[in-house]
Amino acid sequence: DAGVIQSPRHEVTEMGQEVTLRCKPISGHDYLFWYRQTMMRGLELLIYFNNNVPIDDSGMPEDRFSAKMPNASFSTLKIQPSEPRDSAVYFCASSTTGSNGYTFGSGTRLTVV
Amino acid sequence: DAKTTQPNSMESNEEEPVHLPCNHSTISGTDYIHWYRQLPSQGPEYVIHGLTSNVNNRMASLAIAEDRKSSTLILHRATLRDAAVYYCILRGFTSGTYKYIFGTGTRLKVLA
Repeated sequence: DAGVIQSPRHEVTEMGQEVTLRCKPISGHDYLFWYRQTMMRGLELLIYFNNNVPIDDSGMPEDRFSAKMPNASFSTLKIQPSEPRDSAVYFCASSTTGSNGYTFGSGTRLTVV
Repeated sequence: DAKTTQPNSMESNEEEPVHLPCNHSTISGTDYIHWYRQLPSQGPEYVIHGLTSNVNNRMASLAIAEDRKSSTLILHRATLRDAAVYYCILRGFTSGTYKYIFGTGTRLKVLA
């Protein structure tokens, strides 16, 4: 099992540009979570999906952020337009009903200059 | 969501046991206590979880107070690779959702 796969590992972009982060959950997992981590705010839950359906997006900071899960094996988190304050490490995690916990990916370090 | 309180940092000597405390006085009857750790430059990693009884696995032990208002993660012999931020989290379905809310965690430093 390759675990949760995120791409890219690092992304540097200019303010105003669109950024798309990608996540491939573990096969068979029916929950997918997007988290953001910064020094100031720690780990924040942005949104999570169950069976490809968004369940709770109350953590999405503003309309510039959007997330999709078109199928069970792929999810994207898009920021448009990006701003310097979006700089953070973005983690994707997946889980299955009744499991012991989440499996996190290695994260995408986003830098907006 | 019920909250947890952990010390910001702790130190331990290598090869010695480490007891990481967590207070969760507002825990509800259906909340599970989960522990995760985050090694440098990695995503959080599941360590252990429990509801009422003490739990053991290959990574650690979890001791839960009888009133469930506190718990302790026990690393039996700390190694340098155990240096990480340890998060104590409550997970429940009381609000109809299934999600973790991470606190600030305890940064464990292991001294050689």
